[in-house]
Amino acid sequence: KAGVTQTPRYLIKTRGQQVTLSCSPISGHRSVSWYQQTPGQGLQFLFEYFSETQRNKGNFPGRFSGRQFSNSRSEMNVSTLELGDSALYLCASTRQGANTGELFFGEGSRLTVL
Amino acid sequence: AQTVTQSQPEMSVQEAETVTLSCTYDTSESDYYLFWYKQPPSRQMILVIRQEAYKQQNATENRFSVNFQKAAKSFSLKISDSQLGDAAMYFCAYRIANNDMRFGAGTRLTVKP
Repeated sequence: KAGVTQTPRYLIKTRGQQVTLSCSPISGHRSVSWYQQTPGQGLQFLFEYFSETQRNKGNFPGRFSGRQFSNSRSEMNVSTLELGDSALYLCASTRQGANTGELFFGEGSRLTVL
Repeated sequence: AQTVTQSQPEMSVQEAETVTLSCTYDTSESDYYLFWYKQPPSRQMILVIRQEAYKQQNATENRFSVNFQKAAKSFSLKISDSQLGDAAMYFCAYRIANNDMRFGAGTRLTVKP
């Protein structure tokens, strides 16, 4: 069974640009969560999608947005990039009803903003 | 608000010895999940062990075991017979069903040969 797949793995952008990151969850997983990981702030929750609906949202500005498609694949978008947006963006999926609470993580997309 | 605290930014252990990583959490919920995740350098975050709060028995996975003290809101990870491959960042995490997972700041574990 394939794991969580994130693309691209690495990208470099400049301030003011926008970026879209993609996440394909494990087959059968309908919930996708996004996290931002930085050395200073650690792992911070961005949002979670389930059945194409945003179910939970973290405390990030509106420049951060996401969506989920009918095949459970998810994208997140960051507009008007700032230097502080440089981070590892992690996607994780989970199977509803598993009653384990476990998240399965992808390898992440490392964004550098210059 | 639920918070997770890992008081040890860095830990070091000699190969083949035992090390314990600490974690405390704050919650008013009675039903929740606790996890330890491992993140090797530049590699994927993987689950090490999990514990359901309603279970009194401490979880064990091979060389990894936890000491879950619900009343004290403590969830420590013990790694026995440490191996070089255990070197990584370890994150303690808390989750209520269908809510976001909250992570501690992490403990960087170094294993000395």
